[in-house]
Amino acid sequence: EAQVTQNPRYLITVTGKKLTVTCSQNMNHEYMSWYRQDPGLGLRQIYYSMNVEVTDKGDVPEGYKVSRKEKRNFPLILESPSPNQTSLYFCASSPPTRTYEQYFGPGTRLTVT
Amino acid sequence: GQNIDQPTEMTATEGAIVQINCTYQTSGFNGLFWYQQHAGEAPTFLSYNVLDGLEEKGRFSSFLSRSKGYSYLLLKELQMKDSASYLCAVRVPIYNQGGKLIFGQGTELSVKP
Repeated sequence: EAQVTQNPRYLITVTGKKLTVTCSQNMNHEYMSWYRQDPGLGLRQIYYSMNVEVTDKGDVPEGYKVSRKEKRNFPLILESPSPNQTSLYFCASSPPTRTYEQYFGPGTRLTVT
Repeated sequence: GQNIDQPTEMTATEGAIVQINCTYQTSGFNGLFWYQQHAGEAPTFLSYNVLDGLEEKGRFSSFLSRSKGYSYLLLKELQMKDSASYLCAVRVPIYNQGGKLIFGQGTELSVKP
């Protein structure tokens, strides 16, 4: 089954404790991206990757890092989480010529206290 | 800047028709997309318009007027399961991404018996 998986689905952590949210897709998509979703603000892109070892900032990259060492995986790293990073996070992938056809992961609800 | 506006919430009755409007002002335009998102779940792709006019897909139709920067999503024969958030997104050309989706904040639709 074609899918995008994320782990963990739910996470409560404390300020400053490094964490990683994993994302994996089995559709051989080149393009992957991370979004955060906040009430009243919609989905905002954090980082994206056009292919292995090619990543770039989206609209709200501050406080986040990503890596793309393999085509299928695109982890999101929060080196020192802060309460303003409490949000719902979605990973998405798409074929390179159809970036509108985004396949979203199930989401990770992160709470930073 | 990029601006996408849609009503925050709407209410409609089961079996009725509802129209959700979206207006946009973006730096470039490569298509407009509608996604459906049930509470706590990932967005799922509904429709795509790149040329002016109406695209129909079962009970859902989407209309686009590029000159007016305007789109609507029309839902017919409403069912209780249509209660969800509907996200309007515009694809804008980005030189090194091919295209990027800018999302509106979403319209929360409640379908009542």
